[in-house]
Amino acid sequence: DTGVSQNPRHKITKRGQNVTFRCDPISEHNRLYWYRQTLGQGPEFLTYFQNEAQLEKSRLLSDRFSAERPKGSFSTLEIQRTEQGDSAMYLCASSRGGASETQYFGPGTRLLVL
Amino acid sequence: AQKITQTQPGMFVQEKEAVTLDCTYDTSDQSYGLFWYKQPSSGEMIFLIYQGSYDEQNATEGRYSLNFQKARKSANLVISASQLGDSAMYFCAMREPLQTGANNLFFGTGTRLTVIP
Repeated sequence: DTGVSQNPRHKITKRGQNVTFRCDPISEHNRLYWYRQTLGQGPEFLTYFQNEAQLEKSRLLSDRFSAERPKGSFSTLEIQRTEQGDSAMYLCASSRGGASETQYFGPGTRLLVL
Repeated sequence: AQKITQTQPGMFVQEKEAVTLDCTYDTSDQSYGLFWYKQPSSGEMIFLIYQGSYDEQNATEGRYSLNFQKARKSANLVISASQLGDSAMYFCAMREPLQTGANNLFFGTGTRLTVIP
């Protein structure tokens, strides 16, 4: 396993700009998750993909957020019209499912909105 | 609703000593899973250990063991022979089933462990 990778690792943007993050999961994993982690908190679930289908979305995922996973491989998370409250670490995780499903996380993208 | 409580914001341990990080959980489900992750300052969440609710034995992975007390709803992480590289944030998490069959991970607020040389 080469592990989950995420790009970019850091992003600084001005309020109102759009940003896009990429996640490349472990190759044989069909499940992909996005989480958001703010300072002093544990990660919180945003959305989930089974292959290319987005099957779950959290209430945290406002209409300014959109995620895709074309062809069931890599995934992108886009935030439109960023707000200062969007500043956080965005973590991607992947798994192969199963009864004792374990999610493996990437290094995250740290977003700062000025 | 699921809930994870980690009551220790910070812990210190002497190098080569053992340390226990506390985690209590609340669920009405009979089948559930508990996880511990390590998050160094680089930000990556590193999976350490898993305990299923029906597992009769406590999980162990190298220097990590999980002290699972089902009746008390606690799942404490024990790190033996602490090393300087163990200094990090540690998160306890519970698997929360989603409607579509996948699993959200519900995390606690974490414990920052510092290993003293």
